[in-house]
Parts: sequence; C-alpha cells; structure tokens
Amino acid sequence: QQPVQSPQAVILREGEDAVINCSSSKALYSVHWYRQKHGEAPVFLMILLKGGEQKGHEKISASFNEKKQQSSLYLTASQLSYSGTYFCGTERADSWGKLQFGAGTQVVVTP
Amino acid sequence: DGGITQSPKYLFRKEGQNVTLSCEQNLNHDAMYWYRQDPGQGLRLIYYSQIVNDFQKGDIAEGYSVSREKKESFPLTVTSAQKNPTAFYLCASRQEGRNQPQHFGDGTRLSIL
Repeated sequence: QQPVQSPQAVILREGEDAVINCSSSKALYSVHWYRQKHGEAPVFLMILLKGGEQKGHEKISASFNEKKQQSSLYLTASQLSYSGTYFCGTERADSWGKLQFGAGTQVVVTP
Repeated sequence: DGGITQSPKYLFRKEGQNVTLSCEQNLNHDAMYWYRQDPGQGLRLIYYSQIVNDFQKGDIAEGYSVSREKKESFPLTVTSAQKNPTAFYLCASRQEGRNQPQHFGDGTRLSIL
C-alpha cells in the first residue's frame, strides 16, 4: 500500500517555511525523500531509518515518528531552487527491498 | 561517470505492439526497479529485482514483463496487454543495504501512435 502525502500542493514566498507529511498504515523500516523537477528524474534528498535521528540537507530536514509511522519534511527559509515535486518513498519493515512512493507534493516558491 | 542509462528517451508504440525499454547501470548495484509515472501522479512500482535471475511484481505488474539476466541490465517490456501504456517510465537502482538510497535514470516517455 502506497504512503499518503499531504498537502498535495503548497505555494510559498521565498524565505517562508513549509512542512510536508508522509504517513503509512504499515510498520516502516525507512522513509526516503526525493525531489523531482518537471520532466527530470527524482533526486535523492535523505533517508530516515527506524530508530534513526532527524536528518538534514541544506535547509531541508526531516523526521520520522515511529509510533505514528509518519515522516515530515521541513523546508526552512525556502529558496527558489526548492520548487519541484517532493515524494516520500517508504520501505515496510516486512518487505525488504520494495520501495513505494506517495503521490507527491508540488511545491512552488515565488520571489 | 557511474550512472543509470535509460533508452530511448522517447518511444512510440503502435496498437498491438510490444516494446522494450532499456535500463543499464554501471554502479554495481544489486537491486533494480521500474516505476511508472502518470502526469501529476506519483511513482508506481511495476517490477523490482534484488538479484540476478530473480524479480518480483510490484503494484501494477499486469501488462508488463522484465528479465534480469545480468546485474547491470533490467529491461522492461510493455506488452500489448497493457491497454494504457502512455506514461513516463523510470528505472532505478540501489546498492545492497536497507539504508541505501535509490538512484534514478532520466526516464523514457512512452506514447501511443
């Protein structure tokens, strides 16, 4: 079962913050975050593992709440380059190697 | 440079025709994946393979077939049984280990003539 992402879309002004959520109804081993620009391949941002710590990439960070089986991606002080579609990919604890992606969150950062 | 090469970039299929999308990686990764992406939608898993000569169905395997005869190659065949094949197809690979990220190719855009 694919993870559920929210919101579907968000519009930000440069410098504003946003949070993207990713949740699963199944126990997860890991959550992966990717960003895709239009017509391009997704680019890896970070992985959060079960029992792991919050990760960061530039001013983008993420957390993983094992109790809720939910991960959140934080875009802090957004830049124009942050525009794109963000996908979470989840690997279930009982399904090694199978990575399933959410429907994506479109982020538009305006000047 | 190491990477994943998908070819062709654009592909057109006639009704009733099978077409094969190529995916080659020189990253020495064990696992390889095929995803389908429809406009405005996420990535849906078609097939994946964690080792040579073995592969598993993903969430939308019907109408597709794959092979994994070599570690570096994982071709996807879109058969005539796939009635709505128009989509962006992404191949990915991943090193062994559950803490490893997937790396994606640049994709193949398939359209129906």
